[in-house]
Amino acid sequence: SQTIHQWPATLVQPVGSPLSLECTVEGTSNPNLYWYRQAAGRGLQLLFYSVGIGQISSEVPQNLSASRPQDRQFILSSKKLLLSDSGFYLCAWKWGRGTGELFFGEGSRLTVL
Amino acid sequence: GQSLEQPSEVTAVEGAIVQINCTYQTSGFYGLSWYQQHDGGAPTFLSYNALDGLEETGRFSSFLSRSDSYGYLLLQELQMKDSASYFCAVPFGGNYGQNFVFGPGTRLSVLP
Repeated sequence: SQTIHQWPATLVQPVGSPLSLECTVEGTSNPNLYWYRQAAGRGLQLLFYSVGIGQISSEVPQNLSASRPQDRQFILSSKKLLLSDSGFYLCAWKWGRGTGELFFGEGSRLTVL
Repeated sequence: GQSLEQPSEVTAVEGAIVQINCTYQTSGFYGLSWYQQHDGGAPTFLSYNALDGLEETGRFSSFLSRSDSYGYLLLQELQMKDSASYFCAVPFGGNYGQNFVFGPGTRLSVLP
């Protein structure tokens, strides 16, 4: 069966510090991978998606970046965090040619102080 | 671009039926998905409609009308555990809708 894990689950970072969130998928190959951000009480904002190794599409210009160094690994990074980067970050995957079903990780709650 | 609209809040009592509507605008349409998210948790997939009509899965049903760019999620025999946020979403882009945009979410409160 397929599983998705992301970590860390919770982190508190000072403004200007770097960030690295990691997500891995097991039990499938060549998945589409996604990073979403959710502000408190709000909807999901698509940040990045990837259809293959090294292929990253950015939906929102900002100080975040994403990388996919391996087929089932997706990393979200920042060199210098802003207060506005606080939120609930969700990694998700779907079958490459699947349709409506996204599988989400447990989420990473980031607070920037 | 893609945009979806949903009511922000809905309140109902245990045992009742509630309908959450979603209207969308999208360039190229593949289908409409629904997700449930409990407070503090991750969204979980509920249903997907690629064709017009009603899809039933237990107490939950989802409907799609492509000509009206409209769909809804129907929850029957409401239970307290159904209190959550519900999001509609549409895949778009590429050759098979490889990307997803989500609606703003509808917060459902089920009262005893």
